[in-house]
Amino acid sequence: DIVMTQTPLSSPVTLGQPASISCRSSQSLVHSDGNTYLSWLQQRPGQPPRLLIYKISNRFSGVPDRFSGSGAGTDFTLKISRVEAEDVGVYYCTQATQFPITFGQGTRLEIK
Amino acid sequence: QITLKESGPTLVKPTQTLTLTCTFSGFSLSTSGVGVGWIRQPPGKALEWLALIYWDDDKRYSPSLKSRLTITKDTSKNQVVLTMTNMDPVDTATYYCAHSAGFDYWGQGTLVTVSS
Repeated sequence: DIVMTQTPLSSPVTLGQPASISCRSSQSLVHSDGNTYLSWLQQRPGQPPRLLIYKISNRFSGVPDRFSGSGAGTDFTLKISRVEAEDVGVYYCTQATQFPITFGQGTRLEIK
Repeated sequence: QITLKESGPTLVKPTQTLTLTCTFSGFSLSTSGVGVGWIRQPPGKALEWLALIYWDDDKRYSPSLKSRLTITKDTSKNQVVLTMTNMDPVDTATYYCAHSAGFDYWGQGTLVTVSS
């Protein structure tokens, strides 16, 4: 199985300031079709997860442009340019390049 | 628009079999490339992928749970069913279904408690 490791596990951030979450996979996420199936999910308190970013850097429909994804191979980053109160929650990276699909442990974003 | 909704028992006893149904709309499971997956989340813990079924009836399972899981689809009813045998208290979790391996749309989830 591909292990997904997120850092940090908790991130206190001041409103209006940037935030960054890292995700590292135990092996390359480049698929034989050339795509990298690395996604980022947001889970607000009491809500189901929501897709933010797919294939490393593509924002899903309706996702604000303050969210961005980058990376390649085994190292990936989710950045929030200016944190807003509604961004509080847990963020997960996930890979679908190889079965079984796996998730990171989650990073809790909280406001200082 | 795409919607998914999970349904099933909220309480099951240890050793019983859990049957969950995902009823969806806005897409068809007979369309090439489409799939529906199941993911669970124990209270306060991380997400865990369980199973996925594709339009062509290709089925994928979590290796650690494969012996206990069965996923099926009813294209005419727009439903996907997940069964999990031999339930244990550690299987207490919110169970979600989601559209495709990309998880672009999720149901609201259903909390299943395993207790005698």
